[in-house]
Amino acid sequence: QLQLQESGPGLVKPSETLSLTCTVSGGSVDFNNYYWGWIRQPPGKGLEWVGSISHSGSPSYNPSLKSRVTISVDTSKNQFSLKLASVTAADTALYFCARHHGSDSFDYWGQGTLVTVSS
Amino acid sequence: DIQMTQSPSTLSASVGDRVTITCRASESVRSWLAWYQQKPGKAPNLLIHKASTLQSGVPSRFSGSGSGTEFTLTISSLQPDDFATYYCQQYNNYPYTFGQGTKVEIK
Repeated sequence: QLQLQESGPGLVKPSETLSLTCTVSGGSVDFNNYYWGWIRQPPGKGLEWVGSISHSGSPSYNPSLKSRVTISVDTSKNQFSLKLASVTAADTALYFCARHHGSDSFDYWGQGTLVTVSS
Repeated sequence: DIQMTQSPSTLSASVGDRVTITCRASESVRSWLAWYQQKPGKAPNLLIHKASTLQSGVPSRFSGSGSGTEFTLTISSLQPDDFATYYCQQYNNYPYTFGQGTKVEIK
């Protein structure tokens, strides 16, 4: 059974960089046609796709965040990561990592990790 | 970006009711549409993909239909475990986009 687990600081200061890692178990990030994504949800609000990366390391980003986002994959650790630069209070959210198969829906999700941006 | 609009935003219903949620896309997404159920503090759970394909393990009281710009999620007989928020999502184009959600409440 595939499992995804987010990890990283729960509190980030304004203007700093948010860094999260998603560890995959029960399967490999280096598997053809699978993509690994990040989705976020501000408290009490809806879902926003942040970006995704293929097993080969080719990323796609939400244009609304593109200038600040970097997603990378580390096949040796079976992990993928999110960096979001120059954060503000508007970046406070529950961040989920998830898997999708090529152009397909998100079928496996991590439990989510709350990141608060505050001084 | 493709805008996804769900209606209603909130729905009050009783156990046993038939419930229908609508999702409209600002342009055609063909059949590349998914439905998720989310409970407070939890990750979304995939119910339906490709507009009408039931995800493995999801009860058959859930069904999806539609194509192009208009889609529906139907729960044939609402169960206590179904009180939650439901989201549609298009994956026809990047950026993937979600509807704003429909909260199904106990009447």
